[in-house]
Amino acid sequence: GAVVSQHPSWVICKSGTSVKIECRSLDFQATTMFWYRQFPKQSLMLMATSNEGSKATYEQGVEKDKFLINHASLTLSTLTVTSAHPEDSSFYICSARGGGLDYEQYFGPGTRLTVT
Amino acid sequence: GQNIDQPTEMTATEGAIVQINCTYQTSGFNGLFWYQQHAGEAPTFLSYNVLDGLEEKGRFSSFLSRSKGYSYLLLKELQMKDSASYLCAVVDSNYQLIWGAGTKLIIKP
Repeated sequence: GAVVSQHPSWVICKSGTSVKIECRSLDFQATTMFWYRQFPKQSLMLMATSNEGSKATYEQGVEKDKFLINHASLTLSTLTVTSAHPEDSSFYICSARGGGLDYEQYFGPGTRLTVT
Repeated sequence: GQNIDQPTEMTATEGAIVQINCTYQTSGFNGLFWYQQHAGEAPTFLSYNVLDGLEEKGRFSSFLSRSKGYSYLLLKELQMKDSASYLCAVVDSNYQLIWGAGTKLIIKP
């Protein structure tokens, strides 16, 4: 149980375009979802935390107008990278929590974004 | 501030035992996770400790001392596939996960 999927698994886009990444909890209701970014050989960096039906909370230094997060349902959150630039190329990983006393974050497989 | 410390990199030999330490200073404590992350992949859950002591799960064991703000992950009978990064993460008083930078473990034959 506790499976999280991400789509797409990899994407290449041109500079200036927007890319949407989907994160789905397949067999549980995710009250909270997290979006991380990871550059090569670096640790996970939390970008934002989103609770279903409310606005996401962004970490310091993360532009909320550039990284749009929508957590419209208990099983789906989306991250849209707007006006992507080559420096946005990274590994984007989502995770989900079921709520209550279950603090474990179940990770999706990640999305590798390359902006050319 | 909140801080999680773990070694950046460790090297061990196939078949041996290695211990990866993690010390933390956080606002509150509601448990500590260890995750494994292979290069280019998402993290996968290894263990969760909320009470003091040792939890054993096959070749992997995790230890916690809340009074010392200290945990370790013990890997026995190392295999080449254990080469990965190992992430320590603490659940703080706001129930948020505070992540360490990870320890890259290199296994040599």
